[in-house]
Amino acid sequence: EAQVTQNPRYLITVTGKKLTVTCSQNMNHEYMSWYRQDPGLGLRQIYYSMNVEVTDKGDVPEGYKVSRKEKRNFPLILESPSPNQTSLYFCASSLQFYNEQFFGPGTRLTVL
Amino acid sequence: AQRVTQPEKLLSVFKGAPVELKCNYSYSGSPELFWYVQYSRQRLQLLLRHISRESIKGFTADLNKGETSFHLKKPFAQEEDSAMYYCALSVPPNDYKLSFGAGTTVTVRA
Repeated sequence: EAQVTQNPRYLITVTGKKLTVTCSQNMNHEYMSWYRQDPGLGLRQIYYSMNVEVTDKGDVPEGYKVSRKEKRNFPLILESPSPNQTSLYFCASSLQFYNEQFFGPGTRLTVL
Repeated sequence: AQRVTQPEKLLSVFKGAPVELKCNYSYSGSPELFWYVQYSRQRLQLLLRHISRESIKGFTADLNKGETSFHLKKPFAQEEDSAMYYCALSVPPNDYKLSFGAGTTVTVRA
């Protein structure tokens, strides 16, 4: 089944403890992206990747890192999480950036 | 930086009535514009994009460069249209970010 998967789906952590949220797609898509969703703010793009080894900042990249070593994977790294990074995170992929983006199920992160 | 504004957080209409969701953007060039929808307990999915000029599930959206708007319309709302709708914008080849509005929650009443 063609899909975007994220792990974990739920995570509660403490300030400063490094964490990684994984994202994987099995559709051979070139474009991948991370978003956070907050009430009243909608979806905001954190980082995106046009292809392997090509990543760029979205609208809210501060406090996040990404890597794209393989086409199918696009992990989101929080080196030192803070409470203002408590949010619902979505990974998405598309064949090219202008094609439909397929979204993962979301990861609900709480930073205490 | 581009910006997308959806002025209505909530929109309630009766079944069979027309529905219009507003989307305004701030960019002087030729953007790529999209509408995404999230139904209850489902993933966010593409509804339509202006470049393909298509009508999906009875919805249409017209790009008005003069008013910098991309409003979404449907002449006769159905209960299954109840969902959260997001307008989104990208401005290639300057960059390939995708900026979303804050979203509009639509409730269609019987």
